[in-house]
Amino acid sequence: DGGITQSPKYLFRKEGQNVTLSCEQNLNHDAMYWYRQDPGQGLRLIYYSQIVNDFQKGDIAEGYSVSREKKESFPLTVTSAQKNPTAFYLCASSIIGSNQPQHFGDGTRLSIL
Amino acid sequence: KQEVTQIPAALSVPEGENLVLNCSFTDSAIYNLQWFRQDPGKGLTSLLLIQSSQREQTSGRLNASLDKSSGRSTLYIAASQPGDSATYLCAVKDSGGSYIPTFGRGTSLIVHP
Repeated sequence: DGGITQSPKYLFRKEGQNVTLSCEQNLNHDAMYWYRQDPGQGLRLIYYSQIVNDFQKGDIAEGYSVSREKKESFPLTVTSAQKNPTAFYLCASSIIGSNQPQHFGDGTRLSIL
Repeated sequence: KQEVTQIPAALSVPEGENLVLNCSFTDSAIYNLQWFRQDPGKGLTSLLLIQSSQREQTSGRLNASLDKSSGRSTLYIAASQPGDSATYLCAVKDSGGSYIPTFGRGTSLIVHP
């Protein structure tokens, strides 16, 4: 079945540590997105990519980095510069410029130790 | 910048009631509007997508309407069931070319037996 796989489901970060969240899709979608979700705040866009080897900052990119070396993969690194990383992180993908729905993974919950 | 508001933020109803969730947006130049369901600790599942040229979409007990001129969409749930308990989010994709959806904060629905 086609879909988006996020791993791990739960992740703990120590102070000063970088951690990487994985997102893989087999939907052949060009566009991929990373969102952060905090209680009562809805989804906020961190980064998005519409083509391999290219990505754009979203509304809250500070303290995060991404790469898009393959169409199927869009990993997100939460760096030590992100002082408040505790949140639920969602990865999504879509076909660019179409009326097809956006698809989401099941999320990764990141907490600070 | 597009802003999306969802009212109410939370709703608790007895089983069997018909109910309406509201979504409003500030910029009527939209490409499409999408309604999602999110269960606790999970990703988003697409329910209905309404293209800018459409007035409504239906799927089973769900009906979503769109009035671009007034910047409003409603999600109607008929004969609500406890299994409908979840958070419902709407997302608006602008027609300006970025194709990046803007999300509302969601309505948390509880349907009690």
